[in-house]
Amino acid sequence: QVQLQESGPGLVKPSETLSLTCTVSGGSISSYYWSWIRQPAGKGLEWIGRIYTSGSTNYNPSLKSRVTMSVDTSKNQFSLKLSSVTAADTAVYYCARDLPISSSSSNWFDPWGQGTLVTVSS
Amino acid sequence: SYVLTQPPSVSVAPGKTARITCGGNNIGSKSVHWYQQKPGQAPVLVIYYDSDRPSGIPERFSGSNSGNTATLTISRVEAGDEADYYCQVWDSSSDHFVVFGGGTKLTVL
Repeated sequence: QVQLQESGPGLVKPSETLSLTCTVSGGSISSYYWSWIRQPAGKGLEWIGRIYTSGSTNYNPSLKSRVTMSVDTSKNQFSLKLSSVTAADTAVYYCARDLPISSSSSNWFDPWGQGTLVTVSS
Repeated sequence: SYVLTQPPSVSVAPGKTARITCGGNNIGSKSVHWYQQKPGQAPVLVIYYDSDRPSGIPERFSGSNSGNTATLTISRVEAGDEADYYCQVWDSSSDHFVVFGGGTKLTVL
């Protein structure tokens, strides 16, 4: 059973870069799209973007100028970098697998990581 | 970009049927997926492709999608169903790709 685990700093200073890694266990990272999704406290879900195991990416246009995603298939990991963060980027960040396998559209997310809270504050 | 509209809250008595709607322009032409999120937990997929249930999800959960409204139906509601529910679609008509509804808080009375 595939499991995902987010890791990274829980506190980032304004204007700096948020960096998170998602480690996939119990299955291969290959041939799937992998997404990052965030949720500010008390609010809804916002899709940040996704990466395919080839390195191809799609980003939410509202964040595109600040987002970079990468994948390391040898480590079964993928990563998120969000630059020039502000307090508005404070949220729980989730990583998730896109299904169905190798599909580029009509995707859903399963499973999700447990989420990691990132606070932007000086 | 495509917008999905959900009621902020729905209340239902135990044993009754809850219906949570997700409105969108011609949403019936898209595949709708639903997630359950309990406090302090990650979302869990409960319905995909409008009406399919992942393994481990009770048959009490069902979905439908037609016209401008998709609906998640929970039959014989239990206290443990109390959670936030989100609908989601893939919007191929724009570069926003993934769209979530604003979420509905289901309260079991």
